[in-house]
Amino acid sequence: ETGVTQSPTHLIKTRGQQVTLRCSSQSGHNTVSWYQQALGQGPQFIFQYYREEENGRGNFPPRFSGLQFPNYSSELNVNALELDDSALYLCASSQRAGARNTIYFGEGSWLTVV
Amino acid sequence: AQSVTQPDIHITVSEGASLELRCNYSYGATPYLFWYVQSPGQGLQLLLKYFSGDTLVQGIKGFEAEFKRSQSSFNLRKPSVHWSDAAEYFCAVGSSGTYKYIFGTGTRLKVLA
Repeated sequence: ETGVTQSPTHLIKTRGQQVTLRCSSQSGHNTVSWYQQALGQGPQFIFQYYREEENGRGNFPPRFSGLQFPNYSSELNVNALELDDSALYLCASSQRAGARNTIYFGEGSWLTVV
Repeated sequence: AQSVTQPDIHITVSEGASLELRCNYSYGATPYLFWYVQSPGQGLQLLLKYFSGDTLVQGIKGFEAEFKRSQSSFNLRKPSVHWSDAAEYFCAVGSSGTYKYIFGTGTRLKVLA
């Protein structure tokens, strides 16, 4: 148990739709990172939020967007869903931004796009 | 470019046998190194991490890893594998001044009874 919770755990969407995934960070953590893990692959960094601001972004298009709230919980939004967006989306929290601060993962949200 | 390579996609060992999972990284700066384990359908659990200091790092569940700068490696070891260790293992690297981890593609471990 890492104290990082994600919802929903599973969902199915149709191509072209929009989806919102939610994450509650571990108590005392002010930084949230999102990763996408396609089947058979390692996690790929999407972006990180630190104190409600986007702190860095990986190679994902603008239709992947996020928010962080004052309580440090976070949302990942994906617009215009494509079949290749089917993946496990992992949220991770850490005490502060920066790679020296170990990130702790939630159980993930499985997204299937049909 | 930064990268992490896990050369073994699948490894099968017998219960009680020793285990070594390989990880090689390509990174310009001093790396921060991690091993995570993922059981089927689950998130990632941190096994151990290396930031600096002693190059032999002890983790949870009896795992250890050794940082070898000259070989750009951070191999994970366990002297005696248990059936419950069957899972997928990911090596990851980060560095000072960055905010993301780069993960390898994982090694799937199968344990024979």
